[in-house]
Amino acid sequence: DQQVKQNSPSLSVQEGRISILNCDYTNSMFDYFLWYKKYPAEGPTFLISISSIKDKNEDGRFTVFLNKSAKHLSLHIVPSQPGDSAVYFCAAYTDSNYQLIWGAGTKLIIKP
Amino acid sequence: DAGVIQSPRHEVTEMGQEVTLRCKPISGHDYLFWYRQTMMRGLELLIYFNNNVPIDDSGMPEDRFSAKMPNASFSTLKIQPSEPRDSAVYFCASSLGPGGYTFGSGTRLTVV
Repeated sequence: DQQVKQNSPSLSVQEGRISILNCDYTNSMFDYFLWYKKYPAEGPTFLISISSIKDKNEDGRFTVFLNKSAKHLSLHIVPSQPGDSAVYFCAAYTDSNYQLIWGAGTKLIIKP
Repeated sequence: DAGVIQSPRHEVTEMGQEVTLRCKPISGHDYLFWYRQTMMRGLELLIYFNNNVPIDDSGMPEDRFSAKMPNASFSTLKIQPSEPRDSAVYFCASSLGPGGYTFGSGTRLTVV
């Protein structure tokens, strides 16, 4: 049972444009959602998070939107830069269980 | 702080041999997680500790896998005997609480 799903294995975006990465979930009890970025041969690094009581969180070029009714969240990167090329993981957890539930990841490729 | 430190970075071993992966979490972090990443399954949580105590080991694939955390600054993941299907990248992560994990750079294990 995949509680967190990233249905796009890869995404290609032109440099300077907006990148939109999507994530769907099935467990309405999740309290927090996070996005991690992973470069080859490195561990994932934390990017941005959002609490389930919010619908938007912004940090520089990165904005995460949460639509609880649709059980959907998205990560917007504006403008996209070559260094943003990486695999992006969506993850979620509940306050009662510290185990992160991970999506399968989306490989973002920024074209010059 | 040097971050989460894993050793070795790469390990190549013969089937049937014992393999020990090591992790030094960030000082002060009271949660430690062991993950495995494969192409087929993505990121899988194997086991996590809180204050050196194993909390959930349901992700450990079988009895050949064992993990210990003898103190707050050190953890090991042991595979005995190793098999080719254990080949993967193994990540250690630590955190102060839920969500904001810091990952190590991983150990790439190849069992031939």
